[in-house]
Amino acid sequence: SQWGEENLQALSIQEGEDVTMNCSYKTYTTVVHWYRQDSGRGPALIILIRSNEREKRSGRLRATLDTSSQSSSLSITAAQCEDTAVYFCATEASSGSWQLIFGSGTQLTVMP
Amino acid sequence: GGIITQTPKFLIGQEGQKLTLKCQQNFNHDTMYWYRQDSGKGLRLIYYSITENDLQKGDLSEGYDASREKKSSFSLTVTSAQKNEMAVFLCASSIRDRSNTGQLYFGEGSKLTVL
Repeated sequence: SQWGEENLQALSIQEGEDVTMNCSYKTYTTVVHWYRQDSGRGPALIILIRSNEREKRSGRLRATLDTSSQSSSLSITAAQCEDTAVYFCATEASSGSWQLIFGSGTQLTVMP
Repeated sequence: GGIITQTPKFLIGQEGQKLTLKCQQNFNHDTMYWYRQDSGKGLRLIYYSITENDLQKGDLSEGYDASREKKSSFSLTVTSAQKNEMAVFLCASSIRDRSNTGQLYFGEGSKLTVL
């Protein structure tokens, strides 16, 4: 089914905790995008990881990609209240495709 | 830096009405997209355009038309609004990055309500 049809998953943690969000994709892709969407705004890219990279870091963010299991993860270390947002992964519909398919997303709430 | 501008920000229509959403980008990107986001759900692709005058259907294209007459603009038309329909329509643009789809830059969204 189209990922976007599924409901958002909800995750609630305390400030200072680490959190990992997972993404499984159905078709071969050479790149996985991770986007963050704040309430009332459009999504914004936070990490892009390619098939030749197993891990990528950006500040407190860490993305992994396992092409053999067709899965990716996004971890946030020492989460802060301002990390509260919806997080989406997105992959190409097929290798080299222009079409980017988004996962159903995770609503992360970080409580003080 | 550039910006994606979507108009209108809010659109209220009647059942059966044809409604048009507009999107402008000044990134000079080749590729533009229209996604639909329903409350509590993810993004579903309606149409995309690789270059000026190109149109490609996404998985949710039925009930929509699109137009890309200029590189900087991409319009989406709801051909017949459905009663009680409510969704946010997101426009995005990107540049091809090596052989992959590059980063998508999104607008703020257009919220549609059908009475």
